[in-house]
Amino acid sequence: EIVLTQSPGTLSLSPGERATLSCRASESVSSSYLAWYQQKPGQTPRLLMYGASNRATGIPDRFSGSGSGTDFTLTISRLEPEDFVVYYCQQYNTSPWTFGQGTKVEIK
Amino acid sequence: EVQLVESGGALVQPGGSLRLSCEASGFSFSSYWMSWVRQGPGKGLEWVANIKQHGIEKNYVDSVRGRFTISRDNAKNSLYLEMSSLRAEDTAVYYCARDWYGAFDMWGQGTMVTVSS
Repeated sequence: EIVLTQSPGTLSLSPGERATLSCRASESVSSSYLAWYQQKPGQTPRLLMYGASNRATGIPDRFSGSGSGTDFTLTISRLEPEDFVVYYCQQYNTSPWTFGQGTKVEIK
Repeated sequence: EVQLVESGGALVQPGGSLRLSCEASGFSFSSYWMSWVRQGPGKGLEWVANIKQHGIEKNYVDSVRGRFTISRDNAKNSLYLEMSSLRAEDTAVYYCARDWYGAFDMWGQGTMVTVSS
């Protein structure tokens, strides 16, 4: 199975700063099959990005995704207070679909 | 309203069985693949199984293959997960999710399964 490794585990930043989250795959993933999710405490995950760089419905444009092959990035251009939560990447290139272990964005 | 509502979670002994259900509304259920995704206490997300629109094609993560069975009833807009030979490591919140070409664009609120003696 494809293993996704997210870094850093925790990212400490201030509101208004730029966040860069990394997701590295153990083997190549077509960029069409990489997604990012946001999960707030006590809530269900929410799809942010699909196809590596496409925002899901209702997602603000401060969120952007990029990457190809084995290296993918989620960027939050200017952190809002509600963005300080956990983010997961997921590949759906090869079954079983797999998730990264998550990156927590916390207030510095 | 577009939503997924899971039910059936419970406390069960190791080796026991359980059936989870997920009722869909507000969209054309029969047009979508559907998945189960779980999240252990304080842990990350793990995809468990999915099923094609008409229920013929099914896929499972290795850790549940042979113990869990995914099924659906399109007439009832419902998705199911039959779980048997349950283990402590199956303890998790189980989410029903709409599987949109592999990305999960819609999630239920989850149902808790606890495997403990």
